[in-house]
Amino acid sequence: DTEVTQTPKHLVMGMTNKKSLKCEQHMGHRAMYWYKQKAKKPPELMFVYSYEKLSINESVPSRFSPECPNSSLLNLHLHALQPEDSALYLCASSPPVGGRLPHEQFFGPGTRLTVL
Amino acid sequence: AQSVTQLDSQVPVFEEAPVELRCNYSSSVSVYLFWYVQYPNQGLQLLLKYLSGSTLVKGINGFEAEFNKSQTSFHLRKPSVHISDTAEYFCAVRGSYNQGGKLIFGQGTELSVKP
Repeated sequence: DTEVTQTPKHLVMGMTNKKSLKCEQHMGHRAMYWYKQKAKKPPELMFVYSYEKLSINESVPSRFSPECPNSSLLNLHLHALQPEDSALYLCASSPPVGGRLPHEQFFGPGTRLTVL
Repeated sequence: AQSVTQLDSQVPVFEEAPVELRCNYSSSVSVYLFWYVQYPNQGLQLLLKYLSGSTLVKGINGFEAEFNKSQTSFHLRKPSVHISDTAEYFCAVRGSYNQGGKLIFGQGTELSVKP
């Protein structure tokens, strides 16, 4: 298996809903990432997990809650979102580089989120 | 801190013409450079990468890039483009330890290939 998968592909939610995004990879990668991407803009990093531990939180509002249950799975729990949170949410992963910082990242297809 | 500048926000070109997408970076340490492509409504796909070694890097879909340390550039080229190359292209540099090693992206270049 040589890809990062994300579910669902599309999600529409109200501002009072709770939903979760799921990301999975079976390539043995030990760093996993969540990005938010608005139209015509580069991805913005939200969170980084390294060896299942949260290593970077880019000052993301608490209505976004990441979780890394195991080395293959990354979730993003959503609660009380705002319409401006509507975006493409991308997951990525990186192979280990002998304990050093990882190099390239491999991206999933994304979840298109619309908040009404 | 590392940063990336993509000099053109949009590049229109005719099919079978050559194209160059420009990328400049700023870094005071060793650089790891990447080009990603994003087709409409899809994720990012790695086109090519420079980690070390030969400054001319060949990637997928006939693209190549040249790492130029003196000019701090990493321009992407293709000798003959196809309609299917129409997409957004992002240049990125891996950040320093102080930046957590995260990817620093340029603002993107929209390549539009016309028949």
